[in-house]
Amino acid sequence: QLQMQESGPGLVKPSETLSLTCTVSGSSISSSRHYWGWIRQPPGKGLEWIGSMFYSGSTFYNPSLRSRVTMSVDTSKNQFSLELSSVTAADTAVYYCARHIRERDSSGYSDSWGQGALVTVSS
Amino acid sequence: QLVLTQSPSASASLGASVKLTCTLSSGHSRYAIAWHQQQPEKGPRYLMKVNSDGSHTKGDGIPDRFSGSISGAERYLTISSLQSEDEAEYYCQAWGTGIQRVVFGGGTKLTVL
Repeated sequence: QLQMQESGPGLVKPSETLSLTCTVSGSSISSSRHYWGWIRQPPGKGLEWIGSMFYSGSTFYNPSLRSRVTMSVDTSKNQFSLELSSVTAADTAVYYCARHIRERDSSGYSDSWGQGALVTVSS
Repeated sequence: QLVLTQSPSASASLGASVKLTCTLSSGHSRYAIAWHQQQPEKGPRYLMKVNSDGSHTKGDGIPDRFSGSISGAERYLTISSLQSEDEAEYYCQAWGTGIQRVVFGGGTKLTVL
């Protein structure tokens, strides 16, 4: 059974870099059928896609966040990671990792979600 | 630009049916979408993918009470025999090859009366 678990600091200072890791079990990160993505949800608001990554390193990022986002994958640990630089209070959110079903040239849709990790940006 | 529009709220009585709508932006009427449910204080759960031909593929363990359909640029999620646990936020999601690769609708908060 697929399980996805986010981990990382729950508190980040303004202007610093937010770092999260998603550990996947029950599905191989190296699958050619899937992309691996990050989605966030500010308190009381809707879902915002951050980016998606293929195991080979191919990435797609939300244009509004592209300048601050870096995603990476560690196939040996079956993990993928998110870094978001120069954070502000507006980056306070629950961050979800998700598996995407790849379709044609797109990263596809989310078919499984982690339970989420709250990250607060505050000094 | 790929945009999804959802009504902010909907309500229906216990045991009744409700149809939630997700509208694709102009020029994207042939896109598939996915529906996700987010119960209070929980993470999202994948419900189903609704294809451009009206067929749908549900996630594991999703009850038969949940179904998907389409009409033009509108994508629907119908929930029949409403139960209290169906009270949740429902999000649609689309994906493509444009600049914005993945988008979510703003969500519909469903209240079961």
